[in-house]
Amino acid sequence: GENVEQHPSTLSVQEGDSAVIKCTYSDSASNYFPWYKQELGKRPQLIIDIRSNVGEKKDQRIAVTLNKTAKHFSLHITETQPEDSAVYFCAALNSGGYQKVTFGIGTKLQVIP
Amino acid sequence: EAGVTQFPSHSVIEKGQTVTLRCDPISGHDNLYWYRRVMGKEIKFLLHFVKESKQDESGMPNNRFLAERTGGTYSTLKVQPAELEDSGVYFCASSQEREDRTEAFFGQGTRLTVV
Repeated sequence: GENVEQHPSTLSVQEGDSAVIKCTYSDSASNYFPWYKQELGKRPQLIIDIRSNVGEKKDQRIAVTLNKTAKHFSLHITETQPEDSAVYFCAALNSGGYQKVTFGIGTKLQVIP
Repeated sequence: EAGVTQFPSHSVIEKGQTVTLRCDPISGHDNLYWYRRVMGKEIKFLLHFVKESKQDESGMPNNRFLAERTGGTYSTLKVQPAELEDSGVYFCASSQEREDRTEAFFGQGTRLTVV
């Protein structure tokens, strides 16, 4: 089965700095990689995703890169703000058919004002 | 559109008791998933329903856990009898496959504490 490793587990940055979270996956059949943000006491919400036929995707201050050969993908947050503080989960799955999502362990991001 | 709802939001029970968690997926979503996050660890897959059928229950930890999905609508997850290690946050998610997306929408979770 799929195995997703995520690091770091905690990350503190100063407001305005960039934050990078990295994940690796093991199953070469995985082709869809969503990122979820979970604020304290709230549900995990999809913030960005990328498919294996794309190397990079950007949405305002958030970007995700994918290296399919090396089986790793990263989340980049630029110009961080206090409201970016949350736990971020990377995930991988094979979107062909009905498949379960395998999550990383989560990264607790703290943006210091 | 209503999101995925879970009930209860919190539950504290004693070891050996029974607890039933409920999940109402987004209307029309065939796929329903249960996940669990134990403190500080990853969100782990428990099982997957397609409509009323169990598609994959490989993540269910043992036979103390029983999941059902009545008529392909809401789902329940029963833990009987509960053990201390069952404590954690139980998430439900639902999705509907589309060509352009495979997004799973999550509920807010049920925090289960077994004492």
